Amino acid sequence: DAKTTQPTSMDCAEGRAANLPCNHSTISGNEYVYWYRQIHSQGPQYIIHGLKNNETNEMASLIITEDRKSSTLILPHATLRDTAVYYCIVSVFPNAGNMLTFGGGTRLMVKP
Amino acid sequence: DARVTQTPRHKVTEMGQEVTMRCQPILGHNTVFWYRQTMMQGLELLAYFRNRAPLDDSGMPKDRFSAEMPDATLATLKIQPSEPRDSAVYFCASGLGGRHEQYFGPGTRLTVT
Repeated sequence: DAKTTQPTSMDCAEGRAANLPCNHSTISGNEYVYWYRQIHSQGPQYIIHGLKNNETNEMASLIITEDRKSSTLILPHATLRDTAVYYCIVSVFPNAGNMLTFGGGTRLMVKP
Repeated sequence: DARVTQTPRHKVTEMGQEVTMRCQPILGHNTVFWYRQTMMQGLELLAYFRNRAPLDDSGMPKDRFSAEMPDATLATLKIQPSEPRDSAVYFCASGLGGRHEQYFGPGTRLTVT
């Protein structure tokens, strides 16, 4: 699976949009981009995924560049409860179970 | 609200003892994953099952770790004998074949002294 690069940490003001970038320059044509987050002391939580098109759900939006070498997760109105580590993962689906390889992620701190 | 459950939530044991961690996947899910999280290594995939059959356990130390699914509602991860380096949080996740999302349990925090 392709490797991803994310900033180690980011801050965001409460109520503002949080834009979390991810580079995946070696992504293959059949690899999806997944975002998960992990709030302190909890298990990771699925947020969103995409292949080529931009995606939106009740939690976030995912913007994937046309060349698919990078993406941005957008939390439109960040709250204090969005403080977490956000993981960007690329993986083939299905790959005999959709194995996920977690990197270091981005620690997002939402501040009042 | 369907959730993955894991027991125990916390376990403290002495080196050399056997440890068994249990996971109940979301009803109807046919794929189960075991992950381990440490400060040094982050989140690592240990093993996963589809329809109760082990598909990959290459991330697991074979000499002391074993993973099984006695039935569709129970997955177990066993460590025998346990060592201090096994101290970590162990997460179970489940998913449904054909869908992208994995749902994680709350984890078992294991401390081996």
